[in-house]
Amino acid sequence: AQTVTQSQPEMSVQEAETVTLSCTYDTSESDYYLFWYKQPPSRQMILVIRQEAYKQQNATENRFSVNFQKAAKSFSLKISDSQLGDAAMYFCAYRSAGDSNYQLIWGAGTKLIIKP
Amino acid sequence: GAVVSQHPSWVICKSGTSVKIECRSLDFQATTMFWYRQFPKQSLMLMATSNEGSKATYEQGVEKDKFLINHASLTLSTLTVTSAHPEDSSFYICSGTQGWAETQYFGPGTRLLVL
Repeated sequence: AQTVTQSQPEMSVQEAETVTLSCTYDTSESDYYLFWYKQPPSRQMILVIRQEAYKQQNATENRFSVNFQKAAKSFSLKISDSQLGDAAMYFCAYRSAGDSNYQLIWGAGTKLIIKP
Repeated sequence: GAVVSQHPSWVICKSGTSVKIECRSLDFQATTMFWYRQFPKQSLMLMATSNEGSKATYEQGVEKDKFLINHASLTLSTLTVTSAHPEDSSFYICSGTQGWAETQYFGPGTRLLVL
């Protein structure tokens, strides 16, 4: 069975600086998707970024980018120029490409604190 | 991104009553919808997966007769908590996907408090 591990329960960063959130996963599959979701205090789950495993190029979305290391099964999220609005819980998630139910496997989450 | 709504956002009910939560995909057809439960400071716990027109598939440990899920159309799924008890108090979140697409889009969640 696949697992997702987020080893940092909490991270803090100074506003305008860069922070990296870690995520590792375990799978025997070769085709899958990886996601980072953000859950602010409102508790609305928001997609931040996604990565297809077959793509070597790391996904980027404005200030958010990932470092996808397939061999190491690592999928870290880098947030550049941190803003107060980035404060949230961040969840890493895995989805098998072959899963007909499209279920997500979730990490435990990392709480990101932005210091003004 | 695609939009999912949930109603109500907040509900307080007495023990023993039933509560229905609606989940709607507003701008896409959600062939598959998911219902999650989230405890404070924890990750999402999948309760069930439902495909339009089919019976929901429940995760181990989730009581089918207590958490009734209906996915009658491509834009609407409902979760009914029957004979609610205080231990059912939680935050319930739904999500939808277009099936072939890899991304789940989430509703804003429903806070349920059973007195």
